[in-house]
Amino acid sequence: GAVVSQHPSWVICKSGTSVKIECRSLDFQATTMFWYRQFPKQSLMLMATSNEGSKATYEQGVEKDKFLINHASLTLSTLTVTSAHPEDSSFYICSASVQGVQPQHFGDGTRLSIL
Amino acid sequence: GENVEQHPSTLSVQEGDSAVIKCTYSDSASNYFPWYKQELGKGPQLIIDIRSNVGEKKDQRIAVTLNKTAKHFSLHITETQPEDSAVYFCAASSQAGTALIFGKGTTLSVSS
Repeated sequence: GAVVSQHPSWVICKSGTSVKIECRSLDFQATTMFWYRQFPKQSLMLMATSNEGSKATYEQGVEKDKFLINHASLTLSTLTVTSAHPEDSSFYICSASVQGVQPQHFGDGTRLSIL
Repeated sequence: GENVEQHPSTLSVQEGDSAVIKCTYSDSASNYFPWYKQELGKGPQLIIDIRSNVGEKKDQRIAVTLNKTAKHFSLHITETQPEDSAVYFCAASSQAGTALIFGKGTTLSVSS
């Protein structure tokens, strides 16, 4: 149980494009999901906390207008990278926990490459 | 805020040896400490976790110890196997349901 699915797993697109990444909790409801970014050979850095039915909470230095988060249901959160540029290329990973209690379960990530 | 330091950054061992990875945290309010294994191109997978009311936890070849006074916790892998080769991350969280703060990771290489 406690499976988190991300889609797509890999996306390549041109600079200026907006890209949407989906994060789903497959067998449990998640009122809170988390979005992380990971650059090559680095650790996971928290970008934002996604709350179902309310606005996301962004970490310092993360542009909320650049990284739009929508958590419209208890099983789905989306991250949209707007007007993506090469520096946005990274590995984006989401996580969620059952009823907000640890442990957190991670998706398999989305590799975003902006040309 | 919380800061998690992890050492070493790389660790090479021979198959069958033990491996130890250490982490320290700064926030005394932190009460949950998981360890994740990440293989190339995949998301992190939880391998073991410990809460602040416990000093040690073991699951087959993997164990975690926690010293709340010193604010450090360690991952111990015994009888290492080549398939244990991966990047290992420690993390800390201060409240139920809050985000994890990760260490910088340890690349473990087990040679046969």
